[in-house]
Amino acid sequence: DAGITQSPRHKVTETGTPVTLRCHQTENHRYMYWYRQDPGHGLRLIHYSYGVKDTDKGEVSDGYSVSRSKTEDFLLTLESATSSQTSVYFCAISSGSSGNTIYFGEGSWLTVV
Amino acid sequence: AQRVTQPEKLLSVFKGAPVELKCNYSYSGSPELFWYVQYSRQRLQLLLRHISRESIKGFTADLNKGETSFHLKKPFAQEEDSAMYYCALSVLSIQGAQKLVFGQGTRLTINP
Repeated sequence: DAGITQSPRHKVTETGTPVTLRCHQTENHRYMYWYRQDPGHGLRLIHYSYGVKDTDKGEVSDGYSVSRSKTEDFLLTLESATSSQTSVYFCAISSGSSGNTIYFGEGSWLTVV
Repeated sequence: AQRVTQPEKLLSVFKGAPVELKCNYSYSGSPELFWYVQYSRQRLQLLLRHISRESIKGFTADLNKGETSFHLKKPFAQEEDSAMYYCALSVLSIQGAQKLVFGQGTRLTINP
């Protein structure tokens, strides 16, 4: 398995509170991604990073922000959590270029009550 | 716009029977397609990609550009094949990131 660690793995939080999920990699890959997984939607890209301090939006970025201050860490923040953000969040990494494998973390289960 | 469609949410077959999971895509460029498998509450694992054309765990998939399909097949299903399967299309961003567009997933159940 690729060296990807997500924390926390499970979290229950209240509506309106900020939440930060962390993705840590030991592979020194340039690209990192955050996806959310929901029934009937598969996985959808939230944000991605192409280098330290370099990020861009994905398909479902509203309500989320990200930061990458070091190559190995990519943080996903829900500024004010809502029930619609209850989901499973997956981090992924890749070295880029066509044909390269994209590796996924184990997921973070977030419940907003 | 890029799109991946997996028409079957659920698929149930008996052990030893052939399996085919359907995937259709919409993409204006040259597609790069993957199949990922997710066992119960675990991470997504790459099953295969069309570029390598290799067979993993007995599964194969052929890219058909005319029909814009990338169906996953296995001649003889095994109980350990029960899992969620996702078809995904890779779209390169201008920064070189591989953004994956996923289908909705097909939950495959192999009955003994």
